[in-house]
Amino acid sequence: EVQLVQSGAEVKKPGESLRISCKASGYSFTNSWITWVRQMPGKGLEWMGRIDPTDSYTNYNPSFQGHVTISVDKSTSTAYLQWNSLMASDTAVYYCARRLTMVQGVLDYWGQGTLVTVSS
Amino acid sequence: EILLTQSPATLSVSPGERATLSCRASQSISSNLAWYQQKPGQAPRLLIYRASTRATGISGRFSGSGSGTEFTLTISSLQSEDFAVYYCQQYNDWPPYTFGQGTKLEIK
Repeated sequence: EVQLVQSGAEVKKPGESLRISCKASGYSFTNSWITWVRQMPGKGLEWMGRIDPTDSYTNYNPSFQGHVTISVDKSTSTAYLQWNSLMASDTAVYYCARRLTMVQGVLDYWGQGTLVTVSS
Repeated sequence: EILLTQSPATLSVSPGERATLSCRASQSISSNLAWYQQKPGQAPRLLIYRASTRATGISGRFSGSGSGTEFTLTISSLQSEDFAVYYCQQYNDWPPYTFGQGTKLEIK
């Protein structure tokens, strides 16, 4: 069974750093890109960026480029989303999702979401 | 960036009836459109891709149609578990892939 299990909720202060995780199981991790999606409170979905676990090649939505970093650890089948300096506007639920096999851009399995709260 | 506009924002339908949700793209995206369902407190779930292909395990009550700039998601004979928010998403143009703002399907 394919599963993406994300790390737990976080409460941080502005300016702090953070890394959240997404551990994949039930399939070959290097076979599918992993994407991160943001959902701000009461709002819709935003595609942040994606990574090819095979070689860590990344694509970022220009709106998020330079503010977040996506990475993977193939040895543990885990993807990461990282911030070096959080802002209050980063408060959101963040989902990782797997690319549907052979269809670039479609997300077939999702993690349960990680709530990140940034407040002073 | 391709803009996806979903209509209506909220749709009120009685159980057992049919619901029709629309998604319009700001430019042609061929058939590179997916639909997702999201219930409160849950992650989105893939329903449809390539505009009309049902994802694995999705009920035949869900059907998608359209190409170019106009797309439709139809849910026949609504059941209680179908009331949720529905998002369309284009994957024709990067960067970035984009989602519509969502349609909330509520019980009438």
